[in-house]
Amino acid sequence: DAKTTQPPSMDCAEGRAANLPCNHSTISGNEYVYWYRQIHSQGPQYIIHGLKNNETNEMASLIITEDRKSSTLILPHATLRDTAVYYCIVLNSNTGKLIFGQGTTLQVKP
Amino acid sequence: DTAVSQTPKYLVTQMGNDKSIKCEQNLGHDTMYWYKQDSKKFLKIMFSYNNKELIINETVPNRFSPKSPDKAHLNLHINSLELGDSAVYFCASSRSLNTEAFFGQGTRLTVV
Repeated sequence: DAKTTQPPSMDCAEGRAANLPCNHSTISGNEYVYWYRQIHSQGPQYIIHGLKNNETNEMASLIITEDRKSSTLILPHATLRDTAVYYCIVLNSNTGKLIFGQGTTLQVKP
Repeated sequence: DTAVSQTPKYLVTQMGNDKSIKCEQNLGHDTMYWYKQDSKKFLKIMFSYNNKELIINETVPNRFSPKSPDKAHLNLHINSLELGDSAVYFCASSRSLNTEAFFGQGTRLTVV
């Protein structure tokens, strides 16, 4: 199972873009990168996923490097409600197993 | 309508008791999971079922037994509860093994 590395914490000013990095150097060719977040003690919430192309949805954008060894989640205009723990995960498509690391605690400040 | 619902939301029980946590999803998904989040906030998969078939059993003590009566339900039964079982348990479902998962709101289990 591919392992991911994220900074433990980041701050972002409200209204600014939040860029959350993730390293996944051992990712295999057919493994997807998924991002989830957990707000306080709620259940984890799916944000976005990608294989090798950049992706965008109503919540965020995902930029994956050409060698697929790292990615960046971008929240274009962070709000106070985006304060959460953000998890970058490489999905094992044979088992569906999500391996959650420590994640990045994003604090959005007014 | 809640997509993935768990009951109860809170459960306080004494050591040695047997308890169950129920999970239901109304998304028509084929795959369901149980995750455990301990006091240090680490989330770890316990079980996954695909079309009612057990796919993952992550070295969970056999006091924990998942039961899937149909594809919409995956219940977790725990025998002889121990203090170390205190945690938040999350149920999740996904359309298949390689698609995004949707999580319930969790069941906070406290063993006293």
